[in-house]
Amino acid sequence: QQPVQSPQAVILREGEDAVINCSSSKALYSVHWYRQKHGEAPVFLMILLKGGEQKGHEKISASFNEKKQQSSLYLTASQLSYSGTYFCGPSVGSQGNLIFGKGTKLSVKP
Amino acid sequence: GAGVSQSPSNKVTEKGKDVELRCDPISGHTALYWYRQSLGQGLEFLIYFQGNSAPDKSGLPSDRFSAERTGGSVSTLTIQRTQQEDSAVYLCASSLRPGVYGYTFGSGTRLTVV
Repeated sequence: QQPVQSPQAVILREGEDAVINCSSSKALYSVHWYRQKHGEAPVFLMILLKGGEQKGHEKISASFNEKKQQSSLYLTASQLSYSGTYFCGPSVGSQGNLIFGKGTKLSVKP
Repeated sequence: GAGVSQSPSNKVTEKGKDVELRCDPISGHTALYWYRQSLGQGLEFLIYFQGNSAPDKSGLPSDRFSAERTGGSVSTLTIQRTQQEDSAVYLCASSLRPGVYGYTFGSGTRLTVV
């Protein structure tokens, strides 16, 4: 029931790109993405609704393939501030709670 | 308020004692959620309130855990007879319209059971 995120961890140099994947065993209505920095609360990045849309936020974008029940988060030209743990949270309906993945720890080094 | 407010920010309690954690969501947000995060772990769903509907309690780990939401606003999570495995950060979040808008999380309550 919990979505599967991959990779579990990734280390980047500033300016490098990364992709974080999220797969669900259930048909999805939407997918949320959040970033949590150490010692802080998760912060909402974006939500993708079914329809295969792709959204962007700064140099962070995401795609959602409802047929494959998958979403991917793309981080391009990474910055030090991108470091943190990224969580995906799929939703099976327009109401209800999110069941989050275990998270992907991203570390960006100078 | 401008954000989701949780209190206390830290709570140390003795094993076997009861604790109450408070969450004040963003005004107008009809959906309210409680999650738990153990050290270095992910976000574990506990309970969900939506408007006047019966809460979804499917994530509560045992009957020692309960929560209520009064007047569609403030929520209190109560843990009775605390155990050491209850030690974690308890996060509250609210949303204007779940499924369409994102969650806004509070800063959490760090609970330590000694």
